[in-house]
Amino acid sequence: EDKVVQSPLSLVVHEGDTVTLNCSYEVTNFRSLLWYKQEKKAPTFLFMLTSSGIEKKSGRLSSILDKKELFSILNITATQTGDSAIYLCAVGTYNNDMRFGAGTRLTVKP
Amino acid sequence: GAVVSQHPSWVICKSGTSVKIECRSLDFQATTMFWYRQFPKQSLMLMATSNEGSKATYEQGVEKDKFLINHASLTLSTLTVTSAHPEDSSFYICSARETVHEQYFGPGTRLTVT
Repeated sequence: EDKVVQSPLSLVVHEGDTVTLNCSYEVTNFRSLLWYKQEKKAPTFLFMLTSSGIEKKSGRLSSILDKKELFSILNITATQTGDSAIYLCAVGTYNNDMRFGAGTRLTVKP
Repeated sequence: GAVVSQHPSWVICKSGTSVKIECRSLDFQATTMFWYRQFPKQSLMLMATSNEGSKATYEQGVEKDKFLINHASLTLSTLTVTSAHPEDSSFYICSARETVHEQYFGPGTRLTVT
């Protein structure tokens, strides 16, 4: 059965710290991996990764995919209190299926 | 760790029929559950918020008579898509909140309406 596992489930850091969030997956016919950030209402899209080893970057956030080891990481450098949120990982397949992880709750303290 | 399950994982139904999707918190009590729908271009839209024992609060533009939400217990919420149409085909994701700070997502349900 397809599954997506995120770790840790929750994380507390202080402003300025760097964090790494993990997402591992087991799916058939992998097509893409997506990262979302959820603060209040709906999660907002961060990245979509399809190729292994190519880092995607947006400001202090970056993400990379390893299709051989079946995982992705989301890095946040110089964290700020505004980074506090749930970070959600989802995997899409060529079967047009999608599976979501449970999310990682990040709390950044001042 | 906290686990939220959804059933079914995927479902195909004919136009005009109704489909029920279940969202369960397996090892914690969820006073609040949320239902999302995924739209093209990766966006997730919050459809409604349900609190156990009370009526769901729907977001603007979501038809409450079409998307029936029932949160009958602290571990179960259901979303029923009534009189489904092909445009209702999508991924539906639920999340369950244990406390104000702890919220977990289900794996999603893929609905295809033919």
